[in-house]
Amino acid sequence: SAVISQKPSRDICQRGTSLTIQCQVDSQVTMMFWYRQQPGQSLTLIATANQGSEATYESGFVIDKFPISRPNLTFSTLTVSNMSPEDSSIYLCSAGLASDTQYFGPGTRLTVL
Amino acid sequence: KNEVEQSPQNLTAQEGEFITINCSYSVGISALHWLQQHPGGGIVSLFMLSSGKKKHGRLIATINIQEKHSSLHITASHPRDSAVYICAVETSGSRLTFGEGTQLTVNP
Repeated sequence: SAVISQKPSRDICQRGTSLTIQCQVDSQVTMMFWYRQQPGQSLTLIATANQGSEATYESGFVIDKFPISRPNLTFSTLTVSNMSPEDSSIYLCSAGLASDTQYFGPGTRLTVL
Repeated sequence: KNEVEQSPQNLTAQEGEFITINCSYSVGISALHWLQQHPGGGIVSLFMLSSGKKKHGRLIATINIQEKHSSLHITASHPRDSAVYICAVETSGSRLTFGEGTQLTVNP
């Protein structure tokens, strides 16, 4: 199994600023993922964070808005850039172990004023 | 049409009732996940299935690959089972596509 932590757990930010969310896994994982959950909706995959290469973004998400780092096999960051109220969401990271289920972080609840 | 459809969207039950949540999908998958999300937002993985049936305590999950359908059953439901239950299908590269979720409320 894997334990995933995220920081911060929640934040309130001003329009136009940026926030970096950290995701730490207690074991080495190949795949890490970043999801967004807008109010009242289910999760949407933002990107797959690959170690040693650029992240792979889903349709509708771009690197300039959501830059991702993956410096090693246990850590990743997601930055929400130039925020607007529409970016208010829960942001979750997850990690998949080979032949195993996916484990989710506790989420970061972001409110943009 | 969404690639993953869940029903019902909302479900209210009395404590002790047998509960079924259904999930249908339209794409080829490598696995199907059932997840539980509590009001605080944290997500717990309940099952990962690629065939057949799995059981953990009062929870049972089944999948029919030919029919592209899965069900999550809760026996002897309890108020602490109240949560959103999410079906997610895993496709290439371990990417997950999520259903809209089923809000379950179990009343004492």
